[in-house]
Amino acid sequence: GQQVMQIPQYQHVQEGEDFTTYCNSSTTLSNIQWYKQRPGGHPVFLIQLVKSGEVKKQKRLTFQFGEAKKNSSLHITATQTTDVGTYFCAVQEWAGNQFYFGTGTSLTVIP
Amino acid sequence: ETGVTQSPTHLIKTRGQQVTLRCSSQSGHNTVSWYQQALGQGPQFIFQYYREEENGRGNFPPRFSGLQFPNYSSELNVNALELDDSALYLCASRKESTDTQYFGPGTRLTVL
Repeated sequence: GQQVMQIPQYQHVQEGEDFTTYCNSSTTLSNIQWYKQRPGGHPVFLIQLVKSGEVKKQKRLTFQFGEAKKNSSLHITATQTTDVGTYFCAVQEWAGNQFYFGTGTSLTVIP
Repeated sequence: ETGVTQSPTHLIKTRGQQVTLRCSSQSGHNTVSWYQQALGQGPQFIFQYYREEENGRGNFPPRFSGLQFPNYSSELNVNALELDDSALYLCASRKESTDTQYFGPGTRLTVL
């Protein structure tokens, strides 16, 4: 089956510092999605990347899809306490197929 | 909120019992996927239903089964419960023309 690894597993940052999580797949992907899950909550869709080398921004969040469509990153600038949660990538090998979720990166922001 | 609802919120069962979990999709969404999320792990794909037919399955044994109804609501059934089945069960719905999944709040299942 699809192998999706995320690094780091945990990240503690001081409020105001930047944060980056990386998602790596063993195969070429159709697309990749990013989700945020707050403690005790459910995954909430953030964004989908489809094109090779694509970069999308949402306020302080920047998402990038690798040129080879095998990896992706999520970067948060100047973290805030509201950014606390676990960030998951989810990948599809081809459109319409099932999603495989990564192992997640748990972000703690220290005020 | 996503418009996806799940019931019950919490459930406690004993080993060997059977359980049925329910999911009501967002209006107009004809595709639903079920996931199992163990504590501290990412969601693991169980299966997907599209227009009442299973069209994708993850690495779960046959005692995990499902149904999707004409109104696109769905059920997840688990027979012969094992301790390792304790997890958060999530359903996610989407339109066939898009890949954006909307998750429900989940059902927390505890098997004793």
